[in-house]
Amino acid sequence: EAGVTQFPSHSVIEKGQTVTLRCDPISGHDNLYWYRRVMGKEIKFLLHFVKESKQDESGMPNNRFLAERTGGTYSTLKVQPAELEDSGVYFCASRHTGYGYTFGSGTRLTVV
Amino acid sequence: DQQVKQNSPSLSVQEGRISILNCDYTNSMFDYFLWYKKYPAEGPTFLISISSIKDKNEDGRFTVFLNKSAKHLSLHIVPSQPGDSAVYFCAAGSSGSARQLTFGSGTQLTVLP
Repeated sequence: EAGVTQFPSHSVIEKGQTVTLRCDPISGHDNLYWYRRVMGKEIKFLLHFVKESKQDESGMPNNRFLAERTGGTYSTLKVQPAELEDSGVYFCASRHTGYGYTFGSGTRLTVV
Repeated sequence: DQQVKQNSPSLSVQEGRISILNCDYTNSMFDYFLWYKKYPAEGPTFLISISSIKDKNEDGRFTVFLNKSAKHLSLHIVPSQPGDSAVYFCAAGSSGSARQLTFGSGTQLTVLP
């Protein structure tokens, strides 16, 4: 079974630019989550999709962040415009049932 | 305000000895707790979990203990091996929150050969 795939693995952009992160969950996993780890701190929840619907987006920092999951398959997280404090590692995870999350390797975003 | 706290950012132990990683939580609604292990440049991987109806769960060298009254859980690794060196995250969830997890800030475990 293929795992959760995230692309790109690293991204360095200038402040004010736009970046789009992509996550391909495990096939058949309806639940998809985005999390972020900033400055080596805790991993924080951003949002949760069930299929193509946003179940909970209470963790999204502000309206510069836009997540989509068209067709209930892969998901994208766009940051526009990026700010310095957006730097961190963005993790995607998918889940079928129970608490069994499978995480991707993450995208390390650096805003300079 | 952090609801899940791992107060030790790092821990070093000798190979073969016991590693004890600690975690405290504040939210009484949490009813499920997990430990994840993370190697550099990889995502967190699930290690072991425990439901609030239990106080201990064991899987091979890994045991998680839960003290609900103290809102404290710990992960014991016995015996510790160099390959266990990683960042360990404590996470908690509530069955009423669509399995959203709240994580601690992690503890870097280094097992010395």
